[in-house]
Amino acid sequence: DAGVTQSPTHLIKTRGQQVTLRCSPKSGHDTVSWYQQALGQGPQFIFQYYEEEERQRGNFPDRFSGHQFPNYSSELNVNALLLGDSALYLCASSFLVWGGTYNEQFFGPGTRLTVL
Amino acid sequence: DAKTTQPTSMDCAEGRAANLPCNHSTISGNEYVYWYRQIHSQGPQYIIHGLKNNETNEMASLIITEDRKSSTLILPHATLRDTAVYYCIVRTQNTGGFKTIFGAGTRLFVKA
Repeated sequence: DAGVTQSPTHLIKTRGQQVTLRCSPKSGHDTVSWYQQALGQGPQFIFQYYEEEERQRGNFPDRFSGHQFPNYSSELNVNALLLGDSALYLCASSFLVWGGTYNEQFFGPGTRLTVL
Repeated sequence: DAKTTQPTSMDCAEGRAANLPCNHSTISGNEYVYWYRQIHSQGPQYIIHGLKNNETNEMASLIITEDRKSSTLILPHATLRDTAVYYCIVRTQNTGGFKTIFGAGTRLFVKA
């Protein structure tokens, strides 16, 4: 059983460009969350998708947008890239139990984005 | 902002127990304590979670104080492969999903 997969593994862009990162959740999972992790820091929550809708969002500007497809896979889009967007972008999937108490998240290996 | 505070780094001798503390003094009644770890260049890995009672699994034990304001993750026999950043998180879930807010974590060095 494949876990969470992300593509590409590495990416280099220049300031002002746009980028799309992709995530396939673990089999049986229906919820995808995205995180940004700058060097030496903990992951920062960007947003979470469930049933093709953004359900939760962290403190990120509108340049960060996403999408979830009917097969539960997801994309993260970042427009007008800044140097500060250079980071490891992590995707995590889970099976959302409404009103439940436990939502274990499985993380992918991440996409390393470098903005020059 | 993260709702937890952890020491920046800790050392542990290989084969000894590693005890990683976490303070979550503002935890609310419906928030669980989760622990994850991140080995260099990999995505975070779930370790254990709990609400009130102490918990144990094949990886670790979680001790939560009676007032739930702090907890300790115990790796009973640390190995070199346990060297990682350990994150303590408190999290709840509402009908709109959930957020996982990471702090800076504790960098654990296991030494031979």
